[in-house]
Amino acid sequence: DAKTTQPPSMDCAEGRAANLPCNHSTISGNEYVYWYRQIHSQGPQYIIHGLKNNETNEMASLIITEDRKSSTLILPHATLRDTAVYYCIVRPGGGADGLTFGKGTHLIIQP
Amino acid sequence: EPEVTQTPSHQVTQMGQEVILRCVPISNHLYFYWYRQILGQKVEFLVSFYNNEISEKSEIFDDQFSVERPDGSNFTLKIRSTKLEDSAMYFCASSEVGTYNSPLHFGNGTRLTVT
Repeated sequence: DAKTTQPPSMDCAEGRAANLPCNHSTISGNEYVYWYRQIHSQGPQYIIHGLKNNETNEMASLIITEDRKSSTLILPHATLRDTAVYYCIVRPGGGADGLTFGKGTHLIIQP
Repeated sequence: EPEVTQTPSHQVTQMGQEVILRCVPISNHLYFYWYRQILGQKVEFLVSFYNNEISEKSEIFDDQFSVERPDGSNFTLKIRSTKLEDSAMYFCASSEVGTYNSPLHFGNGTRLTVT
């Protein structure tokens, strides 16, 4: 089972920052936090990942608390195209380990 | 930007038939994965593949399933005798290396409908 907890749904106004929370209180010291999203029935799209430092790329920012037990994905200026299911995933181990998807947060951007 | 491509986008087959789903991973990637998503449900891991052999597989990946990298570019998932419950979206993914510092990149899937 997924090691993360996310709210099932959230709304955000277009043009505003969308802040998506995730709890991962049992995360291990060498596990990364990954964020993906899935638009309609398309393939999951990689957004960002991090270990303990905050990360930013062209899509989003990832804020990880100092104790690493929770994180927040920030979409700085949400658009209607950001409506999707967002998955927060803690990636276990190394080698060929894949990703374990939970139910995610359905983010709806309102016009 | 390089991407994972999957063919066909939609496959319809009759129960009991064999199907092969095809994927072309990103060219310099070494780890390959198959996932599936039954309509309305979570994305589920099926199998990972590295160095021409299965690295890890889930309980879903039983003897009806097999994977192969028949050449330097393709990665296939075969279902030998399809069942109605195999109807789902099947996603292929690849990553550059197998550590948790290397993200998986997914294709847009093949919708398999078993009738």
